[in-house]
Parts: sequence; structure tokens; C-alpha cells
Amino acid sequence: AQSVTQLGSHVSVSEGALVLLRCNYSSSVPPYLFWYVQYPNQGLQLLLKYTSAATLVKGINGFEAEFKKSETSFHLTKPSAHMSDAAEYFCAVIRSGAGSYQLTFGKGTKLSVIP
Amino acid sequence: DAGVTQSPTHLIKTRGQQVTLRCSPKSGHDTVSWYQQALGQGPQFIFQYYEEEERQRGNFPDRFSGHQFPNYSSELNVNALLLGDSALYLCASNGRVNTEAFFGQGTRLTVV
Repeated sequence: AQSVTQLGSHVSVSEGALVLLRCNYSSSVPPYLFWYVQYPNQGLQLLLKYTSAATLVKGINGFEAEFKKSETSFHLTKPSAHMSDAAEYFCAVIRSGAGSYQLTFGKGTKLSVIP
Repeated sequence: DAGVTQSPTHLIKTRGQQVTLRCSPKSGHDTVSWYQQALGQGPQFIFQYYEEEERQRGNFPDRFSGHQFPNYSSELNVNALLLGDSALYLCASNGRVNTEAFFGQGTRLTVV
């Protein structure tokens, strides 16, 4: 069974500083991995996805993530934080099989950006 | 393209009542999934519909049921509401060959 663990329920960074949100996965088969962002009282928006192509994945809003099989990690980074990045971020893995696309989410990391 | 749309946006119900939430998938998508997101938690998979049938189900009781219509829209029904059913209910759709799921804005259900 696939699962993801997000380290740190709350991360604070200064505006302009590096953003690093951690996600480790557990999967018995090569996973598909995703990062979603959720603004208050909103649905989820896809930031980026890894589907076994390039290990460094670039997403929207300047975010990127690197798939590291040896570390079973898929950490999300952004070189310079902006106030508008303050939101909750979810790492997710697909439980694939028989054409099903059931997402299993981590518990989320709330990112605060300090002016 | 309107994306995934859900209705209503907010709902208040009393314990023991029944509720129906609605979802229209993104244009071109034929698969609809429902998720429950409790406060401070990640979304939890409830079930998924494809070709008007429930294809997969998460760890939710039978009080949670659903339906998919020929136009691919879907309903989530919850019977005998409990206080613990209070959550944001998210609908997601995806196409047959695309692994990317698009989410709606959600329905905030409050059970009092």
C-alpha cells in the first residue's frame, strides 16, 4: 500500500528565503507523486507531479520537487518565498491499479511567510 | 472551461438528518472521486465513480453512498449525520488516461 509522510505540520520562513517542505513516501511499486496547495476555504490546486519521467519536476509559481528513490523522498522547494505562498501544502501518492486514481494524502504542512 | 463545480458551497444540518452534495466534473472527464477533509487534516478518499458504478471505496461506512449520472456528474449522500461528519467535502475529476485530478472548491458541511 502507498502512503506519504509530511515532516513538519507548520513551517515558517521569511519573505525571500528558501522554502523546503518535506515529503517521504512508502510504495511497493513505482509511485506517482503530487504536490497540491490549498488556500483558506478553497479546494486543492496541483503544483506539480512526478510520473516516472524526469526526477526534477518543475511546477507552477516557481516551485519544484526532486524525486529521490534512494531516500524515498519528494521534497518541495522554492528558492525565494513570497507572501502569496502562505497556504497549506499536501503531498499525495496515487494508489494505482485497474485504472483507478485514488489519491492518498499526507496530513499537510502549513506554510507561513514572515514579512 | 468551468472546471470542477460543487454545490452547495456551505451547508448546515442537524444530527440524524440526510444530506446530498453535488459535483459536475471538468469538461472531458469521466471519473469522479469524493474526499472528506476534516479540519486540520489531509483529504481522505471516500469513493470513486466511473461509468456510473462505484469503482473503489475508502474506509467509510455505508452511511456514505453515491451516484454517477450519464453526463458524468455525481452526488454524494450521507445518511444519519453525526457531528463527526462535519468537514470539507471535495470532489475531484480526471480523465481516463490522465493521472492528474482536478478538484472543486468543496462543500463545507457543518453538523450541529
